[in-house]
Amino acid sequence: GENVEQHPSTLSVQEGDSAVIKCTYSDSASNYFPWYKQELGKRPQLIIDIRSNVGEKKDQRIAVTLNKTAKHFSLHITETQPEDSAVYFCAASLSGYSTLTFGKGTMLLVSP
Amino acid sequence: SQTIHQWPATLVQPVGSPLSLECTVEGTSNPNLYWYRQAAGRGLQLLFYSVGIGQISSEVPQNLSASRPQDRQFILSSKKLLLSDSGFYLCAWSFKDSLYNSPLHFGNGTRLTVT
Repeated sequence: GENVEQHPSTLSVQEGDSAVIKCTYSDSASNYFPWYKQELGKRPQLIIDIRSNVGEKKDQRIAVTLNKTAKHFSLHITETQPEDSAVYFCAASLSGYSTLTFGKGTMLLVSP
Repeated sequence: SQTIHQWPATLVQPVGSPLSLECTVEGTSNPNLYWYRQAAGRGLQLLFYSVGIGQISSEVPQNLSASRPQDRQFILSSKKLLLSDSGFYLCAWSFKDSLYNSPLHFGNGTRLTVT
């Protein structure tokens, strides 16, 4: 089955800096890669996703890049703010008939 | 628009007691439904998922079970809780899409403490 590795497990940045979280996947047939943000005690919420037919997607301060050859995808957050502090999960899936495989999460801490 | 309801929000149960958590989805038909568990400070563990009424797939063998008695209702149960069942339980739904997986939409979760 699919395996997703996520790094780093913890990331501390200063407000205004950029943050990058990286994930690698094992199955080259995977075609859907979402990112979820989970604030303390809350539910995970989708922040951005990308399909395998696209190399990059942006939404304001958030961007995701996908390198299918290397089988990795990354989340980029620019101009970080304290409210960006949360746990971020990446995930991958093979098709609409398969379930998502999640990474183990990255705790992002943004200091003012 | 679609909404997902999950209850209760918190639950404290003694070891050996039964469990029933319920989740309902509104605003869509025939969704995929999921139960996830999250231990403190840990990742998301898929417990069960369902593609239709009465169709349940189990990902992890344990003393939990799931049922889908109606199209938009998903229930997580246990006959006898263990201490290790403590955690944050999340119900989720997604649209069906044969080609690409579609985003998961999570409920607010149930924080279960087994004492």
